[in-house]
Amino acid sequence: ETGVTQTPRHLVMGMTNKKSLKCEQHLGHNAMYWYKQSAKKPLELMFVYSLEERVENNSVPSRFSPECPNSSHLFLHLHTLQPEDSALYLCASSQDSGQGGYEQYFGPGTRLTVT
Amino acid sequence: KQEVTQIPAALSVPEGENLVLNCSFTDSAIYNLQWFRQDPGKGLTSLLLIQSSQREQTSGRLNASLDKSSGRSTLYIAASQPGDSATYLCAAHFGNEKLTFGTGTRLTIIP
Repeated sequence: ETGVTQTPRHLVMGMTNKKSLKCEQHLGHNAMYWYKQSAKKPLELMFVYSLEERVENNSVPSRFSPECPNSSHLFLHLHTLQPEDSALYLCASSQDSGQGGYEQYFGPGTRLTVT
Repeated sequence: KQEVTQIPAALSVPEGENLVLNCSFTDSAIYNLQWFRQDPGKGLTSLLLIQSSQREQTSGRLNASLDKSSGRSTLYIAASQPGDSATYLCAAHFGNEKLTFGTGTRLTIIP
């Protein structure tokens, strides 16, 4: 595997379910990101992790819970979601985070549908 | 407020033509600007990254420019091909952890 991978690629879940999205980067990067992409809206940054520590939480509802066990893996745990949470969830990584603006590399995304 | 705008939202061009995609941003204190390509239902592929100290970057048939004083970047695609059809996104680093994205331009190359 190379680059940034995400599983599953598609997920359908009910509002009472609990599921998790997984992201893995094979680039030796220190920073990882979760973004949400909804139709007709710009990508929204959700969370940023640098060296496994969360450095930004962009006012995301608590029904989204990130986890970064090491610098190569990032999870997004989902519970009691709403239909408006249906979107493409993208993971990205970069050499580092913070000032300087490092180039970000994206995974293929997980298409989430909440019924 | 730091914002990135891309106009038009959609563009159709006959195959073989050269074209320019536009991106504007509100804050000239930009660290860098990144252009991405996104195919339907897929993730983002990084095309070019321009640092604030640079005026342009080239990769194959793609050339991206950056003008901080006017708050503009352009992505020039030479000799367009049907395989260039995709949504093109620009995103700016304004000196913090986050990339600020535009809403994209959906490009269709007509064979």
